[in-house]
Amino acid sequence: DVKVTQSSRYLVKRTGEKVFLECVQDMDHENMFWYRQDPGLGLRLIYFSYDVKMKEKGDIPEGYSVSREKKERFSLILESASTNQTSMYLCASSPPGMYSYEQYFGPGTRLTVT
Amino acid sequence: DAKTTQPTSMDCAEGRAANLPCNHSTISGNEYVYWYRQIHSQGPQYIIHGLKNNETNEMASLIITEDRKSSTLILPHATLRDTAVYYCIVRSPGDNFNKFYFGSGTKLNVKP
Repeated sequence: DVKVTQSSRYLVKRTGEKVFLECVQDMDHENMFWYRQDPGLGLRLIYFSYDVKMKEKGDIPEGYSVSREKKERFSLILESASTNQTSMYLCASSPPGMYSYEQYFGPGTRLTVT
Repeated sequence: DAKTTQPTSMDCAEGRAANLPCNHSTISGNEYVYWYRQIHSQGPQYIIHGLKNNETNEMASLIITEDRKSSTLILPHATLRDTAVYYCIVRSPGDNFNKFYFGSGTKLNVKP
């Protein structure tokens, strides 16, 4: 079974703090993704990566950055956390090519920024 | 940019088949139909996908109409653990990832 793990299930941070969310997958997948999920807005793609050191912006990259130094690890960074970044953050991975939409998700990190 | 229409919610008795419909009347020839589900407080889980033929795996069956304008996800023997939001998604393999739109889905309530 594909396993995608995220560093924390729940996180509380203060406004202005730098926040790191870590994601690790064990299936040697090329593609990795970061989404946020908010009520009424569904899942929105923040960033994705299709290879080590490669990254692409999704729909809502503002206020976020990412890092992919190793194939199995994809980190989401909130440079200066704000209250409107309170959300559920979901990491996913997928194989390349035509099966790339078989995305495997982690359990999510519920981030609260106060 | 939703290309699918699903009922907001459905009920199903435990042990019975759950049939979840999805309308995708504007689907184009190279677009696949994907189904995911999200159990409360968990990340979405991939279930199945298909292009035009019916598909079956250990979790579910996917029936796609001949004109491909609609499909039905079938959970043959629903259990309480199948209570979740089910998402029907239509996308081409060549589409950019930021066009993989989950939408609101169908909340399936499996009742004892």
